[in-house]
Amino acid sequence: QKEVEQNSGPLSVPEGAIASLNCTYSDRVSQSFFWYRQYSGKSPELIMSIYSNGDKEDGRFTAQLNKASQYVSLLIRDSQPSDSATYLCALNRNGNKLVFGAGTILRVKS
Amino acid sequence: SAVISQKPSRDICQRGTSLTIQCQVDSQVTMMFWYRQQPGQSLTLIATANQGSEATYESGFVIDKFPISRPNLTFSTLTVSNMSPEDSSIYLCSVEEGGASTDTQYFGPGTRLTVL
Repeated sequence: QKEVEQNSGPLSVPEGAIASLNCTYSDRVSQSFFWYRQYSGKSPELIMSIYSNGDKEDGRFTAQLNKASQYVSLLIRDSQPSDSATYLCALNRNGNKLVFGAGTILRVKS
Repeated sequence: SAVISQKPSRDICQRGTSLTIQCQVDSQVTMMFWYRQQPGQSLTLIATANQGSEATYESGFVIDKFPISRPNLTFSTLTVSNMSPEDSSIYLCSVEEGGASTDTQYFGPGTRLTVL
């Protein structure tokens, strides 16, 4: 079992819809979780970090964490074509080592 | 967040040669990291670059192949030695910001390496 699992996609949503990206993890000890966005040919860009159970909102983005079920999700409201990218879920293991999922490709159709 | 630059941004190298990648940060940071992203894959941590001490390598990565320097709190280098086509990847450095319980990593622009 991979430490961080993501559906590779592509996930296609129409412009203006809500995109829902999911991530599960196997290490119950992990405390810090991150969502990065990576455009083709570019480096990962941090979108959200979440450390406590529940929801964390930042603009059009909402991260959700459920430690009991070991999943993290990212919701993107009012999706735009510019949101089309690969979204990487990561967790912080052993204090400062990031472990990444394979990423989910999101395509927002105008 | 810190501004991170990498040199070179891309390079095409011959098999058997070595390439040194530089990572410069505009502020002092304690933790710097080097990642590899192979084509179509996600990121894999190569090593943690510690200032004033040896780098800490992840399983599957060795110092002879990926020597790392960290001479001060704003700079690090990663060398890819005796390259083969399998080393063709994007190499990224990152820095950690935040307190012990909210560590967040930010990435440089990456170095795209092609080995022929």
